Amino acid sequence: QVTLRESGPALVKPTQTLTLTCTVSGFSLDTGGMCVNWIRQPPGKALEWLALIDWDGDTFFSTSLKTRLTLSKDSSKNQVVLTVTNMDPLDTATYYCARSPIGGNHVHYDYWGQGALVTVSS
Amino acid sequence: SYDLTQPPSVSVSPGRTASITCSGDNLGNKLTHWYQQKAGQSPLLLIYYNNRRPSGIPERFSGSNSGNTATLTISGTQAIDEADYYCQAWDSSTAVFGGGTKLTVL
Repeated sequence: QVTLRESGPALVKPTQTLTLTCTVSGFSLDTGGMCVNWIRQPPGKALEWLALIDWDGDTFFSTSLKTRLTLSKDSSKNQVVLTVTNMDPLDTATYYCARSPIGGNHVHYDYWGQGALVTVSS
Repeated sequence: SYDLTQPPSVSVSPGRTASITCSGDNLGNKLTHWYQQKAGQSPLLLIYYNNRRPSGIPERFSGSNSGNTATLTISGTQAIDEADYYCQAWDSSTAVFGGGTKLTVL
């Protein structure tokens, strides 16, 4: 059974760095084709893709946010970690991690975490 | 950057067919995927690779993609289909989502 679970702070202050962890089960982060993505959704708004890490550890980032994002994985812990620097109230959103069973042009998301609501406020 | 455009809202009567479009430059040359998101829930994969349904997704959901437009079609729409629907594609090493369409069944 494939599951993904996001964890991290519910509240961060402006200018702080957000660190979110996605813990996965039911598949290996090192299996060929497997990718984990971060996607966010501000309250009442659309989904926005942030980043992807693939089975080889290669990373891809949203063009508009790439200077603020870092993505890594620890396969021994079945975890993917996203950091977002210089948080702003506009970054308030539910942050999802989602699995893509294949990379490249075929990327799509077959399993999603429950999401973690992060509020940015002083 | 690549943009996907969806109508903000679509209304349909129960039992009728609903069509939700997703437009992008030469979208027909890309693989398009569709997600359903009900209030307070995580998105659910409905259609992948333009027209394939994951296991467990009802046959009334179908997809197509040609030219500049991908279309999600819901046949025999039910009240439980009321939700937000998002299209998604991959372009230039980034994933792109449409702005979402709220489907109202009334």
